[in-house]
Amino acid sequence: KQEVTQIPAALSVPEGENLVLNCSFTDSAIYNLQWFRQDPGKGLTSLLLIQSSQREQTSGRLNASLDKSSGRSTLYIAASQPGDSATYLCAVRHAGNMLTFGGGTRLMVKP
Amino acid sequence: DTGVSQDPRHKITKRGQNVTFRCDPISEHNRLYWYRQTLGQGPEFLTYFQNEAQLEKSRLLSDRFSAERPKGSFSTLEIQRTEQGDSAMYLCASSSVGTGLSPLHFGNGTRLTVT
Repeated sequence: KQEVTQIPAALSVPEGENLVLNCSFTDSAIYNLQWFRQDPGKGLTSLLLIQSSQREQTSGRLNASLDKSSGRSTLYIAASQPGDSATYLCAVRHAGNMLTFGGGTRLMVKP
Repeated sequence: DTGVSQDPRHKITKRGQNVTFRCDPISEHNRLYWYRQTLGQGPEFLTYFQNEAQLEKSRLLSDRFSAERPKGSFSTLEIQRTEQGDSAMYLCASSSVGTGLSPLHFGNGTRLTVT
């Protein structure tokens, strides 16, 4: 059974800091990995999708990496802003075409 | 922007009542997923459809839960005889067919509170 873990569960940083969110998964037989952002009481917004054959994806200040063999992904956020405050979720797509999610990292960026 | 639409946004019901939620996926997407999310947790998979066929169901989906997608477009999720433990955010997502390559797009969810 695929299990996804995100560390840390919560993170508070001052504005302007670069930060790294971690995601690990137990079964490396994945199709892809997706990072999402979730604001309180809202649905999920897709940030980045990394296919199993790729090593990283970039979008603006966000960079996500994937090391499938070790079962790890990181989301790097450069020059963090208060508007980045949200919960960040990673999810792996695997057999059965379902996504298995981690528990999320709650990020607070203080002005 | 015609993203994934869910209705209602909020539902408060008394224990024992039946509730039904609706999801309208992105129009060209033929895969549709239902997830449940409780406070402070990541979403948990419930079921998914490809066109009108329900291809996968989680063990979380008890006999009181039923999902349909009759014409391969919108979907409904019904919960019968609701229990307080059913209180959660119910999320719908859609994607296009591919070998697992396309991203899932989520709606804003329906928040269910069972009193």
